[in-house]
Formats: sequence, structure tokens, C-alpha cells
Amino acid sequence: AQSVTQLDSHVSVSEGTPVLLRCNYSSSYSPSLFWYVQHPNKGLQLLLKYTSAATLVKGINGFEAEFKKSETSFHLTKPSAHMSDAAEYFCVVSVNAGGTSYGKLTFGQGTILTVHP
Amino acid sequence: EAGVAQSPRYKIIEKRQSVAFWCNPISGHATLYWYQQILGQGPKLLIQFQNNGVVDDSQLPKDRFSAERLKGVDSTLKIQPAKLEDSAVYLCAAGRDRGSYEQYFGPGTRLTVT
Repeated sequence: AQSVTQLDSHVSVSEGTPVLLRCNYSSSYSPSLFWYVQHPNKGLQLLLKYTSAATLVKGINGFEAEFKKSETSFHLTKPSAHMSDAAEYFCVVSVNAGGTSYGKLTFGQGTILTVHP
Repeated sequence: EAGVAQSPRYKIIEKRQSVAFWCNPISGHATLYWYQQILGQGPKLLIQFQNNGVVDDSQLPKDRFSAERLKGVDSTLKIQPAKLEDSAVYLCAAGRDRGSYEQYFGPGTRLTVT
């Protein structure tokens, strides 16, 4: 079984300050991990993905995440927040374990990021 | 390439009524997914198709929900009869193939059951 826990339901930052959205995962197999972003009234968009290559993954819009197996974490960071970053962010896990779970995405509960001027 | 299209975007029905949602995925993407996203929660997979065959429907409430993808392209998701707890956003997503990690999501259909 696989699961994801996003440690904060809401994060509020000021524009220009760093962003940290925390995610821990649980998986019986080597996981693939993703961050998706959902802006209001828009579809989910893939921000970045980890699929067993480099542990530090860079995504779109200046976001990056680091896979830490020892800590079972995949936290999302950005050095400097922009107003347009305000959205809901989902940490997602998938396992390549064959059977019906193959390719299945399991979403976390989401973290709403608010950016203040 | 064009994105995943869904219709309608919004739907309001009374409990015990029926409703259907339509999804047109990206051309050439063999895998199609339907998710239910209840307010304040992450999307939950309802059903996964590979071409026109069902791969996983373990989370689909089969007593009231049904889905089909007859020609391996468009798909419909139906609820009959609807309950209050079915109020949610229904998302359709497409993947190039089973096990393709990246899924492309449509804008969703927001269902309100009164």
C-alpha cells in the first residue's frame, strides 16, 4: 500500500520569501513522487517528478523538491515566492509494483499556499 | 497537443436524480482515469481504463456509479441515483500508457447535489 501525508493544510508566506511545503510518503516499493499544482478553476498541472534518477528535482516556475529516502520525505521548495504561486499543491506517490497498482497515483490532502504582498 | 476536455463544467441536481459526465482525452493517450475530489481533499481514483478495458475500478461505488469507454477514446461517468455525498469535482485524466507517470488533467466537472 502507498500513502502520502502533507504536513500542512495551509501555508502563508510573504512575496519574495522562501516557500516550504512538506510531504512524507509511505510505500512498500520504490516510489515515484510528484508535486501537482491546482489553481482555482483550472486543471491539475504537474510541477515536477522524481522517478529514481537525481534526488534533487527541478520543476517549473522555480520550484524544486528533494527525495530523501531515509526520511521518507519529498518536500517542495522555492527560494522566492511570487503572487502567482498562490494555489493548492498536492504531493503524489506512485509505485511500479505491477498488478492493478501499476501507474496508480495516490494524492495527499493538499496544501493551500497563500502569498501576501 | 490539445488538452483533456470535460463537460459540463458545472452541474446541480437533486438527490436521487441521475447525472452523466463526459471526457475527451488527449489523442493517442491510451490510459484514462476518473477521479473524485471532495472539497478539502485530494483527488481519489474511481476508475482506470487502458484503451477500452477497465484496469482498476476497486474504488468505484458500483451500486450507483458506472463508467464506460467504448471505443477507447471518449469516456462517460454516470451516477444513478445521486446522493448528497456525491457533491464533488469529477476529474478526468489521460496518460500515454499504463505506468506512464505523468497524467494530464481536465478542468473537472463540479457537481452539487441538493
